[in-house]
Amino acid sequence: DTAVSQTPKYLVTQMGNDKSIKCEQNLGHDTMYWYKQDSKKFLKIMFSYNNKELIINETVPNRFSPKSPDKAHLNLHINSLELGDSAVYFCASSQDQGDTIYFGEGSWLTVV
Amino acid sequence: AQSVSQHNHHVILSEAASLELGCNYSYGGTVNLFWYVQYPGQHLQLLLKYFSGDPLVKGIKGFEAEFIKSKFSFNLRKPSVQWSDTAEYFCAVIPLNTGFQKLVFGTGTRLLVSP
Repeated sequence: DTAVSQTPKYLVTQMGNDKSIKCEQNLGHDTMYWYKQDSKKFLKIMFSYNNKELIINETVPNRFSPKSPDKAHLNLHINSLELGDSAVYFCASSQDQGDTIYFGEGSWLTVV
Repeated sequence: AQSVSQHNHHVILSEAASLELGCNYSYGGTVNLFWYVQYPGQHLQLLLKYFSGDPLVKGIKGFEAEFIKSKFSFNLRKPSVQWSDTAEYFCAVIPLNTGFQKLVFGTGTRLLVSP
């Protein structure tokens, strides 16, 4: 049973397209996150939701729009994809802010 | 700017050598501390964490870390590494006295263990 699952795992798409990455956690956690890992392996938080409410938005371009239909799901939609969006996107969750964060397996996005 | 620093970007060791990876943070106040490991092509896994109590914490796979508050450090150690420890290691901090508590990562240390 995967605790934090995200789909798709691999995504190759052309510039200008719109794509979504879905994430679900079955841990019963209240807080979910999206992190971006760039080509140099640097990890940075993008968004955080607590009980479906946005609590952190880290100066991410508004082409990125998270949506949380319920506290177990946090999807990431990206409009007008650019080459620089190529990265690994990790979904994660924790019981509360400050608690241990559990990561999904990552979604490898390549924009060509 | 407040940050998490990992001074060793690349470390190469032979099997059975001892490992110590440095991690320093610049946040004042109370923090929660973590080490995560990312094996090649895989996701982040928690190695160990420190919230409070004994500053020497033991994690999985024989890893341990020591929190030294006066030095703002949380160094990771393993007495004898194995080839399977080849991975990227990330120190991370959650500062607790901020409005929004978010996990901030260091830049990572790539460990290569040669057989």
